[in-house]
Amino acid sequence: AQSVAQPEDQVNVAEGNPLTVKCTYSVSGNPYLFWYVQYPNRGLQFLLKYITGDNLVKGSYGFEAEFNKSQTSFHLKKPSALVSDSALYFCAVRDGNSGYALNFGKGTSLLVTP
Amino acid sequence: NAGVTQTPKFQVLKTGQSMTLQCAQDMNHNSMYWYRQDPGMGLRLIYYSASEGTTDKGEVPNGYNVSRLNKREFSLRLESAAPSQTSVYFCASSVGPPGINEKLFFGSGTQLSVL
Repeated sequence: AQSVAQPEDQVNVAEGNPLTVKCTYSVSGNPYLFWYVQYPNRGLQFLLKYITGDNLVKGSYGFEAEFNKSQTSFHLKKPSALVSDSALYFCAVRDGNSGYALNFGKGTSLLVTP
Repeated sequence: NAGVTQTPKFQVLKTGQSMTLQCAQDMNHNSMYWYRQDPGMGLRLIYYSASEGTTDKGEVPNGYNVSRLNKREFSLRLESAAPSQTSVYFCASSVGPPGINEKLFFGSGTQLSVL
């Protein structure tokens, strides 16, 4: 079984401040981890992924995420938030040993205020 | 750069009516997917097609059927719509099956209301 949890429904941050969007996961095999972003009335867009290798993964638009195996976490971060980063962020996990289905979290709404 | 195109964008159905959601991709991708998005529940996989000619059930397939018409097109059919199928439906595609190069490209969605 695989699952992902995003404990925060909403994250508020001031423009220019660092942001973190939290994600924890549960898989029985090797975790394949992803972050996607959804802007209003749009489909999801890929941000970054962790499959193997470096625990710190860099992605689009200046975002990065750190894979922490001991804490089963994959938090999304950005050093300096922009108003245009305001969107809905989804963490997703797949068991690398089996299956096609990505399990998505329920999403975290990020609001960056000027 | 069309990417993944879904039609229609909006649809209202009465309970018991049928309809087909269309999806086409122009990226020569092998794998295609149908997801539904419900508030507070993230996205859930309905069906997927690993390659042309194959389809498999996902997490929530009941009440739906799919057809991989060719490499480009993957349609989702509701034979007898129910209010529980009110949702936003997303089609997605990827180069190949899940793996090292895994990355989904999503369409802009179909908002379906069943009354």
